[in-house]
Amino acid sequence: GAVVSQHPSRVICKSGTSVKIECRSLDFQATTMFWYRQFPKQSLMLMATSNEGSKATYEQGVEKDKFLINHASLTLSTLTVTSAHPEDSSFYICSAIGTANTEAFFGQGTRLTVV
Amino acid sequence: AQKITQTQPGMFVQEKEAVTLDCTYDTSDPSYGLFWYKQPSSGEMIFLIYQGSYDQQNATEGRYSLNFQKARKSANLVISASQLGDSAMYFCAMREVNTGFQKLVFGTGTRLLVSP
Repeated sequence: GAVVSQHPSRVICKSGTSVKIECRSLDFQATTMFWYRQFPKQSLMLMATSNEGSKATYEQGVEKDKFLINHASLTLSTLTVTSAHPEDSSFYICSAIGTANTEAFFGQGTRLTVV
Repeated sequence: AQKITQTQPGMFVQEKEAVTLDCTYDTSDPSYGLFWYKQPSSGEMIFLIYQGSYDQQNATEGRYSLNFQKARKSANLVISASQLGDSAMYFCAMREVNTGFQKLVFGTGTRLLVSP
């Protein structure tokens, strides 16, 4: 299957700082990328959907100014957690889908810990 | 309303036995896709199998098969000949084509434990 690379896999940051997470599709062009958040022992909750070159569509309850999403190219989307706080600590995972794909391919996920 | 329901928080199966993980869904969209993903403790999401709403045959991928019962809106995953490496969380997901964004909605998951 197609490969989606997410970086970093783990990050620890101080409260009040910003963290950027990258999601790259390595061998296909991702027309749409998705960002999910997963709390321990819970399901994946969709945060936002981004299409290349346009603004992301956020799910209800997700703060746009807190979770900045950029999808500047067909192979890269970034999620920036701004002014992170301990309650933002979570597992963040991206997925990507291309025009030829039926299924969405997932990155390895990023475990964010805010201290 | 819950779009995807997985009623089994945990399942146990012995190695080499078959196991069925339940999934029911709710949609008014005639065109949709159903997916199963495996999530080991490392966190990555591994795609297992896909069933389209118009597919006539049940999907199969190696040891995985999907028991698709459209009228009952169920899409159960059957794992045959379980292996120790099958121990993981399993998520059922649905994509409604008419949403335009092809986003996946996930169930709450089932934790499968395979014992020797």
